Amino acid sequence: DAGITQSPRHKVTETGTPVTLRCHQTENHRYMYWYRQDPGHGLRLIHYSYGVKDTDKGEVSDGYSVSRSKTEDFLLTLESATSSQTSVYFCAINPGQGDSPLHFGNGTRLTVT
Amino acid sequence: AQRVTQPEKLLSVFKGAPVELKCNYSYSGSPELFWYVQYSRQRLQLLLRHISRESIKGFTADLNKGETSFHLKKPFAQEEDSAMYYCAAPHAGKSTFGDGTTLTVKP
Repeated sequence: DAGITQSPRHKVTETGTPVTLRCHQTENHRYMYWYRQDPGHGLRLIHYSYGVKDTDKGEVSDGYSVSRSKTEDFLLTLESATSSQTSVYFCAINPGQGDSPLHFGNGTRLTVT
Repeated sequence: AQRVTQPEKLLSVFKGAPVELKCNYSYSGSPELFWYVQYSRQRLQLLLRHISRESIKGFTADLNKGETSFHLKKPFAQEEDSAMYYCAAPHAGKSTFGDGTTLTVKP
């Protein structure tokens, strides 16, 4: 499983509240990613990171922010959760060089009521 | 921007029947392409990549540059193949995924 842990596994929150999801890796890989998985939309990239304090936006970054203060942790924050952010969130790492296959975490199921 | 298209959201076949999951891409240059699989309640995992040209769990996928396709095939589907399948194209450190195909293999 490439040492990837996501927490929490499940979260129910109310509209307007802040939420932070955590991705932790144990193998010091540079590249880390946050995707959301929605029926009919597949996997869409939210944000990614290519090193400590180096992050960039993906295709669906509005309403999300990220931080990476340590190599092993990549945090995804919803500043003010909305119902449209109800989704399953996957963290992934690139364990190799260049365009290698990704290794995924188990996912976080977030419900915004 | 590159795109990956999986035209079938749902695919249902009977056990023992051949199965083909379609994937088309738009990309300039020589693409690297992957198939990922997600079994129920499990994480996504790599099934195969075109550069390795290997068969995993009986599945194969051939890159057809003329048709810009990377279809996933298996001659005899098994019930345990029921899962969500994603085609993906990495580029410049990011991966673009198709919308996924849910395969159901009926007994």
